[in-house]
Amino acid sequence: GESVGLHLPTLSVQEGDNSIINCAYSNSASDYFIWYKQESGKGPQFIIDIRSNMDKRQGQRVTVLLNKTVKHLSLQIAATQPGDSAVYFCAENTGNQFYFGTGTSLTVIP
Amino acid sequence: DSGVTQTPKHLITATGQRVTLRCSPRSGDLSVYWYQQSLDQGLQFLIQYYNGEERAKGNILERFSAQQFPDLHSELNLSSLELGDSALYFCASSVSWGERPLHFGNGTRLTVT
Repeated sequence: GESVGLHLPTLSVQEGDNSIINCAYSNSASDYFIWYKQESGKGPQFIIDIRSNMDKRQGQRVTVLLNKTVKHLSLQIAATQPGDSAVYFCAENTGNQFYFGTGTSLTVIP
Repeated sequence: DSGVTQTPKHLITATGQRVTLRCSPRSGDLSVYWYQQSLDQGLQFLIQYYNGEERAKGNILERFSAQQFPDLHSELNLSSLELGDSALYFCASSVSWGERPLHFGNGTRLTVT
């Protein structure tokens, strides 16, 4: 089966610092990747996506980097704010299926 | 707000019972996915429908079934409930499938006592 894993289950950062959340995936055939944010009591919220023909994609305060050689995905959050505290999931898409990691819990320290 | 609506938000029921969870996808989305999220677990794919037809099945138990109606809303039926079925159940919708993001509802929290 598919394996989408996260290097760290928890991450604490100081408000204003940059955050980096990592994700490893196992299927080299995966061609589309998504980062989600899940706050307590809510469903996963789409943050940013990237296709396999790209190495980097930027959004508002977020950047996703894709390294297909080592099957690694990262999410960078610039100037982390208290509202960024949540669980972050990566997901990989192969054909019709999405596979999700268990998530990294990000805590922002004021 | 993702535009995906799930009802009810909370459901408490006893073992052996049957429940129905409902999902209305975002306007224009034809594809509906159902996921189960247990404590400390990732999202486990259950089943996907596209424009009324079942498209893919994951680790869905035989006690569980789903359907997507002509108006594109979907229902997930869980029967002969067991304690281990207690979880968050999420519905997600997408324009089609593949390289398109899934948009999730806020889930139904099912507690089986």
